[in-house]
Amino acid sequence: SAVISQKPSRDICQRGTSLTIQCQVDSQVTMMFWYRQQPGQSLTLIATANQGSEATYESGFVIDKFPISRPNLTFSTLTVSNMSPEDSSIYLCSVGQGSEPQHFGDGTRLSIL
Amino acid sequence: TQLLEQSPQFLSIQEGENLTVYCNSSSVFSSLQWYRQEPGEGPVLLVTVVTGGEVKKLKRLTFQFGDARKDSSLHITAAQPGDTGLYLCAGGTGGGNKLTFGTGTQLKVEL
Repeated sequence: SAVISQKPSRDICQRGTSLTIQCQVDSQVTMMFWYRQQPGQSLTLIATANQGSEATYESGFVIDKFPISRPNLTFSTLTVSNMSPEDSSIYLCSVGQGSEPQHFGDGTRLSIL
Repeated sequence: TQLLEQSPQFLSIQEGENLTVYCNSSSVFSSLQWYRQEPGEGPVLLVTVVTGGEVKKLKRLTFQFGDARKDSSLHITAAQPGDTGLYLCAGGTGGGNKLTFGTGTQLKVEL
């Protein structure tokens, strides 16, 4: 399965600032996904990112708040903009290829003061 | 909106005990994945089931997909402390690889 690296692994940020999370994969993949997870709870899909097209956002998530880039088949970024304490969470990227199941990175633990 | 409800939400047992985690929905899924997540890590895929009634075994773990492909169960025999973690089921609907995740079951196995 693909090896997925996320940076940073954790960060503490001030409210009102923005943070960009990077997701790097060791092989070319068609689909990349961004999730949010409260510790010990389930995952909520933020958006699906396909190379060469605009990201598709789920209900409750908007591009202005969570802009996503997908410049090539091995890399994506998620920006959390104008952060507030409610954005404190774990952000995870995952990759999928065809009918293969998704595989996840270790996540970015974000705390906003 | 597709929902996957897992039960129980929390489970604390002694080493050597058996347990079953349930994953239920009113929606039909083309596939069902089970993941385990440990603190500080991402979810790790345990198994994928795709056929109604399918049973898969992974050492002490037995996974079953319901006949109608709306539900699934995970049974662990003789649980060990290394089984501790958050167990997540996730249903796929075929197109686009998109998953709907279950509510999660936090398992703690004590010595």
